[in-house]
Amino acid sequence: DGGITQSPKYLFRKEGQNVTLSCEQNLNHDAMYWYRQDPGQGLRLIYYSQIVNDFQKGDIAEGYSVSREKKESFPLTVTSAQKNPTAFYLCASSVAFRAGTDTQYFGPGTRLTVL
Amino acid sequence: AQSVSQHNHHVILSEAASLELGCNYSYGGTVNLFWYVQYPGQHLQLLLKYFSGDPLVKGIKGFEAEFIKSKFSFNLRKPSVQWSDTAEYFCAVNGAGGGADGLTFGKGTHLIIQP
Repeated sequence: DGGITQSPKYLFRKEGQNVTLSCEQNLNHDAMYWYRQDPGQGLRLIYYSQIVNDFQKGDIAEGYSVSREKKESFPLTVTSAQKNPTAFYLCASSVAFRAGTDTQYFGPGTRLTVL
Repeated sequence: AQSVSQHNHHVILSEAASLELGCNYSYGGTVNLFWYVQYPGQHLQLLLKYFSGDPLVKGIKGFEAEFIKSKFSFNLRKPSVQWSDTAEYFCAVNGAGGGADGLTFGKGTHLIIQP
């Protein structure tokens, strides 16, 4: 069953702690993305990766870090530098990073709450 | 920088009513345009997209959208809504001819269909 999995579904973190959100895809997609969704704000791009071992900052990268060591995996670390980390985090992937016409497929999301 | 504006944050309709959700974008070049839907408890999924050709595009579940370049608009329509159309709808855009960044989303429209 192909798709994108994100874990955990719910995550609680104390202030000052780093936390890593998992994103795995078995669609053989080259490109992967992380978005943050806040109520009434839509989705905002955090980081994206076109190929393995390469990634670029999106619109709101401050306080976040990523890695892309494997094609199928694109974990996101929310660091203690992120001032307002409580949000719903969505991972997406697309076949390739060509001309922006490829459909992005989204995972189920991780809801992060900072206590 | 590109931006997307969705005019209605909350829309309430009765079943069988016609639907039109507004979307305007701001971008200096050729764009690709998307409508995504997020049903309660489900993944964000693509409704339809436009990147070239016929400006009237048809998507899943009876939805369609019309790209009007002169108005920078990509409004979503459905002639007769159903209770199952209750969801959050997002308009999104990226720049064509390179795909150098991810999608820019509007803030979303929460649609409620009353039986």
